[in-house]
Amino acid sequence: DAMVIQNPRYQVTQFGKPVTLSCSQTLNHNVMYWYQQKSSQAPKLLFHYYDKDFNNEADTPDNFQSRRPNTSFCFLDIRSPGLGDAAMYLCATSRDLGTPYEQYFGPGTRLTVT
Amino acid sequence: GEDVEQSLFLSVREGDSSVINCTYTDSSSTYLYWYKQEPGAGLQLLTYIFSNMDMKQDQRLTVLLNKKDKHLSLRIADTQTGDSAIYFCAETPLNYGGSQGNLIFGKGTKLSVKP
Repeated sequence: DAMVIQNPRYQVTQFGKPVTLSCSQTLNHNVMYWYQQKSSQAPKLLFHYYDKDFNNEADTPDNFQSRRPNTSFCFLDIRSPGLGDAAMYLCATSRDLGTPYEQYFGPGTRLTVT
Repeated sequence: GEDVEQSLFLSVREGDSSVINCTYTDSSSTYLYWYKQEPGAGLQLLTYIFSNMDMKQDQRLTVLLNKKDKHLSLRIADTQTGDSAIYFCAETPLNYGGSQGNLIFGKGTKLSVKP
């Protein structure tokens, strides 16, 4: 019955080695989001897709990219991970943009950079 | 700044009430939210309140909003060990220069419930 699925749950990558995190949803929602949550910090929005329209937050580093090949899937690509990119990455979906549309979160992928 | 402030830890005994407090930043926020994160799980929406309301009750949960002070609280009555989790306050400020509907989260309050 999982609605927002993230794979893998744990990912280890080497400094500078590209890594891709995956998110899929069974809700047929228009919007998909990627958040970064560092230890003991608030989740921080990196970007979102409204359908095929990509919206990058102003302070998201260029090192982070995203792809949404279809409604169900969205990927987070980190081109050259640094030690500071180690975090939990949360994917979320919502039916539409704006309030009060609930955002449904996946369980997250914990990224370790060695 | 745009920081949503919460105390980081709260410890209560089973059966007591828990009150988690939050100070948000933007009076333009039309909705304010409480999310729960259990270990190893994603964030789950618990409840939300519209900014023209002072209070909202949903079973064991009571949300109080003081718009003048930009203060939000979540009261959990008869707290159970299953309520142990991290609770995040979030707002969606209209004046924020980011995306429409962007959730601005606090750092979360870790609630520990002792038997």
